Amino acid sequence: GENVEQHPSTLSVQEGDSAVIKCTYSDSASNYFPWYKQELGKRPQLIIDIRSNVGEKKDQRIAVTLNKTAKHFSLHITETQPEDSAVYFCAASKFGNEKLTFGTGTRLTIIP
Amino acid sequence: EAQVTQNPRYLITVTGKKLTVTCSQNMNHEYMSWYRQDPGLGLRQIYYSMNVEVTDKGDVPEGYKVSRKEKRNFPLILESPSPNQTSLYFCASSLSGLEQFFGPGTRPTVL
Repeated sequence: GENVEQHPSTLSVQEGDSAVIKCTYSDSASNYFPWYKQELGKRPQLIIDIRSNVGEKKDQRIAVTLNKTAKHFSLHITETQPEDSAVYFCAASKFGNEKLTFGTGTRLTIIP
Repeated sequence: EAQVTQNPRYLITVTGKKLTVTCSQNMNHEYMSWYRQDPGLGLRQIYYSMNVEVTDKGDVPEGYKVSRKEKRNFPLILESPSPNQTSLYFCASSLSGLEQFFGPGTRPTVL
């Protein structure tokens, strides 16, 4: 089955700086890669996703890049703000298939 | 309001006493899933369902049962709970297997 590894497990970044979280996956047939944000005590929420037919996707301060050959994808947050502090999860699946494998999460702390 | 609801949100039970956690969504989604969240392990899928009467095992199905008799409901059953099933459980639904909408979570403690 699919295995998703996520690094780092914790990340502290000065406010205004950039943060990068990296994930690798094992199943070359996976073609859908979402990122979820979970604030303390709350439910995970989708913040951005990418399909394997594109290499990069941006949404304001958030971007995701995908390298299919190396089987890794990354989340980039620029101009970080205190409200970016949360746990971030990457995941992988085959498009249209509900079987979703998550990484172990990254706790991001933005230092004011 | 479009939402996924779970009940109960919290409970304390004892080893071996059957437990059912209900999940309901009002978005007419085909897909529903159950996850457990444990520190350092992230979110792990227990079971998922792509349609009524169609369910399949996720990565950690042992000790759990599910059923999907109606589109909107997807209960999680712990037939004989054990302390290692103390966790945070999330139900989720999605329209097409893409964006997952999570419920608020249920935290059972098994003594």
